[in-house]
Amino acid sequence: EDQVTQSPEALRLQEGESSSLNCSYTVSGLRGLFWYRQDPGKGPEFLFTLYSAGEEKEKERLKATLTKKESFLHITAPKPEDSATYLCAVPDYGQNFVFGPGTRLSVLP
Amino acid sequence: ETGVTQTPRHLVMGMTNKKSLKCEQHLGHNAMYWYKQSAKKPLELMFVYSLEERVENNSVPSRFSPECPNSSHLFLHLHTLQPEDSALYLCASSQLPGQGSSGYTFGSGTRLTVV
Repeated sequence: EDQVTQSPEALRLQEGESSSLNCSYTVSGLRGLFWYRQDPGKGPEFLFTLYSAGEEKEKERLKATLTKKESFLHITAPKPEDSATYLCAVPDYGQNFVFGPGTRLSVLP
Repeated sequence: ETGVTQTPRHLVMGMTNKKSLKCEQHLGHNAMYWYKQSAKKPLELMFVYSLEERVENNSVPSRFSPECPNSSHLFLHLHTLQPEDSALYLCASSQLPGQGSSGYTFGSGTRLTVV
């Protein structure tokens, strides 16, 4: 059974304090790993897709990396507006997504 | 309008009520989805429609009834719900086959409270 786990469950950072979020997955044949950002009361918003080990994608203060078993979302010098829940997901055999439980990030000014 | 639009944004209903959630996508996608999001739990897939045909129903109770009249509209009909059904209900769309490079496009969700 395909599984996606994320750690930590919650993370509090001071503004400017860099850190990383982890997404571990167990799938038979990875067909992409997707990162989403979700603000309170809103739907998830697409950030990145990674397809192969060693691949990296960047967007502003975020950088996503992928290995054969996990992905990291690195946040460099975060700002309060980066506060959100970050979700990762992988497509299952039926082309539907299996989502992780998310990491709730709070960046304090 | 662009993207995926869900109405209403908030809904409070009694356990004996009947209500419907509406989703509309303006992206030309051919697949639409209903997800349930409860506190501290992963997104739970409820229903999938591909080319207006239901292709998956993840053991969802019959008090939830989906309807997809065309490729742009999706409804979730609700009746005799339970308090544990209170959650954020998210609609999403995508282009199949494959999820493309940007996966799903989600709506903003309907926050449902059952009293």
